[in-house]
Amino acid sequence: GAVVSQHPSRVICKSGTSVKIECRSLDFQATTMFWYRQFPKQSLMLMATSNEGSKATYEQGVEKDKFLINHASLTLSTLTVTSAHPEDSSFYICSARGSGQQFYGYTFGSGTRLTVV
Amino acid sequence: AQKITQTQPGMFVQEKEAVTLDCTYDTSDPSYGLFWYKQPSSGEMIFLIYQGSYDQQNATEGRYSLNFQKARKSANLVISASQLGDSAMYFCAMREGETGSRLTFGEGTQLTVNP
Repeated sequence: GAVVSQHPSRVICKSGTSVKIECRSLDFQATTMFWYRQFPKQSLMLMATSNEGSKATYEQGVEKDKFLINHASLTLSTLTVTSAHPEDSSFYICSARGSGQQFYGYTFGSGTRLTVV
Repeated sequence: AQKITQTQPGMFVQEKEAVTLDCTYDTSDPSYGLFWYKQPSSGEMIFLIYQGSYDQQNATEGRYSLNFQKARKSANLVISASQLGDSAMYFCAMREGETGSRLTFGEGTQLTVNP
């Protein structure tokens, strides 16, 4: 079945630094990538949607200059948290849809637990 | 207004018994899809079952079945013969419109299966 590889699974960074999270679709072309953030014991909140080769569409309240999304190829999308602060500590997870997937196919990465110290 | 509502923050069930996790939704789009995902403590999202708005029959996948009541806008997940490994967070989600649209998630239900 469709697989999305997300790395790193865990990252600890210092306040003020940037962190890049990668999601790669291994066996299909990810035409659309969704990026979610999840705080402990809460639901998944959509941060942005990106289509390959286009600028990402950000949800209201999400700072596009802080959360940089790149979807330059059909197999790779990245989320960069710039100038990270402790309040950015969260679980980030991507979800991809691609051409040829069954109509209900949303393939999730395994998530990245970010801790900013 | 909440598009997806899960009213049970936590549920407990005895091993081998069945359990129903509630989900109601709100949409004016005639075409939509309803999903259930399981999220264990590791964080991965495991797809369980899908129901399309035009599907005539309730979806089933092994021990999972979806009790789809369109008029009541509910899509409850039924897990039969609960196992200890079923202990996890369960999310109901909805896709409005045609394929490719975003998913909106409910708040989740933490299920604990007791031995």
